[in-house]
Amino acid sequence: KAGVTQTPRYLIKTRGQQVTLSCSPISGHRSVSWYQQTPGQGLQFLFEYFSETQRNKGNFPGRFSGRQFSNSRSEMNVSTLELGDSALYLCASSLHPTQTGGATNEKLFFGSGTQLSVL
Amino acid sequence: QKEVEQDPGPLSVPEGAIVSLNCTYSNSAFQYFMWYRQYSRKGPELLMYTYSSGNKEDGRFTAQVDKSSKYISLFIRDSQPSDSATYLCAMSARTGTASKLTFGTGTRLQVTL
Repeated sequence: KAGVTQTPRYLIKTRGQQVTLSCSPISGHRSVSWYQQTPGQGLQFLFEYFSETQRNKGNFPGRFSGRQFSNSRSEMNVSTLELGDSALYLCASSLHPTQTGGATNEKLFFGSGTQLSVL
Repeated sequence: QKEVEQDPGPLSVPEGAIVSLNCTYSNSAFQYFMWYRQYSRKGPELLMYTYSSGNKEDGRFTAQVDKSSKYISLFIRDSQPSDSATYLCAMSARTGTASKLTFGTGTRLQVTL
């Protein structure tokens, strides 16, 4: 079974630009979460999607947004890039409790991430 | 103060040693506890998953959770050079059906020959 696929692997942008990152979850997984990883802050939760709806959101400014498509694939967008947005952006997929008879969906499976550099 | 504290290391041990990795946390609502391993330029990989307090063993890995002390540990027996990676603890408090993990910043482990 293929894992979580994130594209592109690397991106270089300049301040003020916008960027779109893509994530394809494991087949059958319908929950997709996004995390930002930086050396100083570690992994920080951005948002989670299920059934094309945002179910949970972290403490990031509105410049960070996302969406999920009917095939569970997800994209995240960052507008008006700042130097501090340079980070590894990780996507994780999981089964949703509605798929597991109510069992927890905390078992996240991560992709290799998109390394974003803002110059 | 961060909700989850983890010593960043680096931690260097000889091959065959027992490794102890730890995290402390402040949120008493956390119920689910995980350890992830992350190799350089890769995403985190789930190693261990436990619910509430107690021990769980899987091969060379043992996870311990002490909710009364708000302290979790990961032990690696007979450590191998291939165990060299960053180890991240993660935990969550169930909020409806949504999933949000709070991570430690990770401990970098180096196992030397």
